[in-house]
Amino acid sequence: DGGITQSPKYLFRKEGQNVTLSCEQNLNHDAMYWYRQDPGQGLRLIYYSQIVNDFQKGDIAEGYSVSREKKESFPLTVTSAQKNPTAFYLCASSPRVRDSLHFGNGTRLTVT
Amino acid sequence: GIQVEQSPPDLILQEGANSTLRCNFSDSVNNLQWFHQNPWGQLINLFYIPSGTKQNGRLSATTVATERYSLLYISSSQTTDSGVYFCAVARNNDYKLSFGAGTTVTVRA
Repeated sequence: DGGITQSPKYLFRKEGQNVTLSCEQNLNHDAMYWYRQDPGQGLRLIYYSQIVNDFQKGDIAEGYSVSREKKESFPLTVTSAQKNPTAFYLCASSPRVRDSLHFGNGTRLTVT
Repeated sequence: GIQVEQSPPDLILQEGANSTLRCNFSDSVNNLQWFHQNPWGQLINLFYIPSGTKQNGRLSATTVATERYSLLYISSSQTTDSGVYFCAVARNNDYKLSFGAGTTVTVRA
């Protein structure tokens, strides 16, 4: 079945450590996105990529980095510079930008 | 940025009831999507509806772009409809979707 796989489902890290969240899709979509969701709030865009080897900052990119070396993969690194990293992180893809978004099941990151 | 307001913030329904959720936005858009997030956090795309009306089973949506609002209708609600419903919009020539804060729907048996 086609879909978006995020791993791990739960992730625990100590403050000061970088951590990388995985996102893989087999939908053959060109565009991929990372969103952050805090309790009781909507989603905020961290980074998006329209095509391989290209990505753009979203509204809250500070303290995060991404790469897009393959069409299927869009990993997100949460660096130690991110002041409040504990959140629910959602990866999404769409055939092209502005098309319907399809989401993975998310990764819950807890930093203590 | 563009402002997205959803109402009501919370809605409690008895199973079988109908309801209407509203999404107001502050600027012209050419992209509007409705999502349902279940209690386990999974987000499902319900509609891509920058204008007009669409129906999918017991759900339907209408967007009146000239008046900057969209409505999501749930008919004959079921307990599985519980969760948070999000509206997301993007301005003309903008790739970034902005999400509203959501409407939390609880359907009681």
